[in-house]
Amino acid sequence: KAGVTQTPRYLIKTRGQQVTLSCSPISGHRSVSWYQQTPGQGLQFLFEYFSETQRNKGNFPGRFSGRQFSNSRSEMNVSTLELGDSALYLCASSSRLTMNTEAFFGQGTRLTVV
Amino acid sequence: GQQLNQSPQSMFIQEGEDVSMNCTSSSIFNTWLWYKQDPGEGPVLLIALYKAGELTSNGRLTAQFGITRKDSFLNISASIPSDVGIYFCAALGGRNTPLVFGKGTRLSVIA
Repeated sequence: KAGVTQTPRYLIKTRGQQVTLSCSPISGHRSVSWYQQTPGQGLQFLFEYFSETQRNKGNFPGRFSGRQFSNSRSEMNVSTLELGDSALYLCASSSRLTMNTEAFFGQGTRLTVV
Repeated sequence: GQQLNQSPQSMFIQEGEDVSMNCTSSSIFNTWLWYKQDPGEGPVLLIALYKAGELTSNGRLTAQFGITRKDSFLNISASIPSDVGIYFCAALGGRNTPLVFGKGTRLSVIA
């Protein structure tokens, strides 16, 4: 069974640009959550999508958005990039169909804003 | 919002020693998860706990779901160099709530 796949692994963008990151969850999983990880702040929750609907949202500005497709693949978009957006962006896949649910992470996308 | 207080923040130990780290919260959770993250990689799930009082082992790792449902600990016995990394606790309150994470414990093992 394939794991969680995130693309691309690395990205370098300049301030003001926008970026789209992709996450393909484990087959059969309908929930995809996105996290931003920086050295000082740890793992910060961005949002969760379940069956194409945003179910939870963290405390990030509107420049951060996401969506989920019918095949459960998810994308997140960051517009008008700022230097502080440089981070490792992680997505986690889970079934979320029962309370006994585990979340599995992809390898992440390392975004550097210059 | 819900927060997890993970301690210690970092540990330096000798190879062969046992390690203990824990997470506490003022909120009640239904699931506790422990992850390990290597540099530049995503966190890897080590142990999942679903019932208060549950004690689960995975090789040299043992974790427990606190009886009050507000805490969990992870023990690593006889540490080896490849145990180096950052360990995160995570907890889930309900089916429709997001997973919350502790800030991590950075483990260094001195051979």
